[in-house]
Amino acid sequence: EIVLTQSPGTLSLSPGERATLSCRASQSVSSNYLAWYQQKPGQAPRLLIYGASSRATDIPDRFSGSGSGTDFTLTISRLEPEDFAVYYCQQYDTFGQGTKVEIK
Amino acid sequence: EVQLVQSGAEVKKPGESLRISCQVSGYSFTDNWIAWVRQMPGKGLEWMGIIYPGDSDTRYSPSFQGQVTMSADKSISTAYLQWSSLKASDTAMYYCARRYRKFGGVGYFYYYMDVWGKGTTVTVSS
Repeated sequence: EIVLTQSPGTLSLSPGERATLSCRASQSVSSNYLAWYQQKPGQAPRLLIYGASSRATDIPDRFSGSGSGTDFTLTISRLEPEDFAVYYCQQYDTFGQGTKVEIK
Repeated sequence: EVQLVQSGAEVKKPGESLRISCQVSGYSFTDNWIAWVRQMPGKGLEWMGIIYPGDSDTRYSPSFQGQVTMSADKSISTAYLQWSSLKASDTAMYYCARRYRKFGGVGYFYYYMDVWGKGTTVTVSS
């Protein structure tokens, strides 16, 4: 069973700063199945990135994904107020535990 | 527009049965798997399993195998998640989502959950 470990658990940043979120798999996984989701309080998750690096429809280009094998990264180049949320990585049938991006 | 509309909030007692629904529109129901995801209060997302409405093939996470049953009714484009005997620990938000398969090139596909329902809150309390 693959385990996805996200770090850090919480990221405290200011609007305009760069956010770098990590997702590490317990064994090598296919990039084709690696996705990132954003979830705001009281809302369903929203797909941001699929295939490790492809942006979903209508996702701003400040969001980017990268990585392969066991290490994947979601980067938000300049945080907007609406980006403060919890982010999850997913590989096929497993989710990471989430990273909360909060306002510093 | 692709939409997944979930049934309303439920309040049940331990031991009761329950079935919640997820009705899809805007695409052919039998073209994609439907995933169910649990989110317990204040916690993260848990993948419960998937069902292929075309033939009702189901794949359960080991954590949920035997605890829930997934089904689908093609005639009304609706997927279901049901419990035969609820426990307090089933209290959670339950999401359905379309698990989309996108052609990525010769011999490979991308898989991801691109459209989500708003969720159904299930509360189990005596």
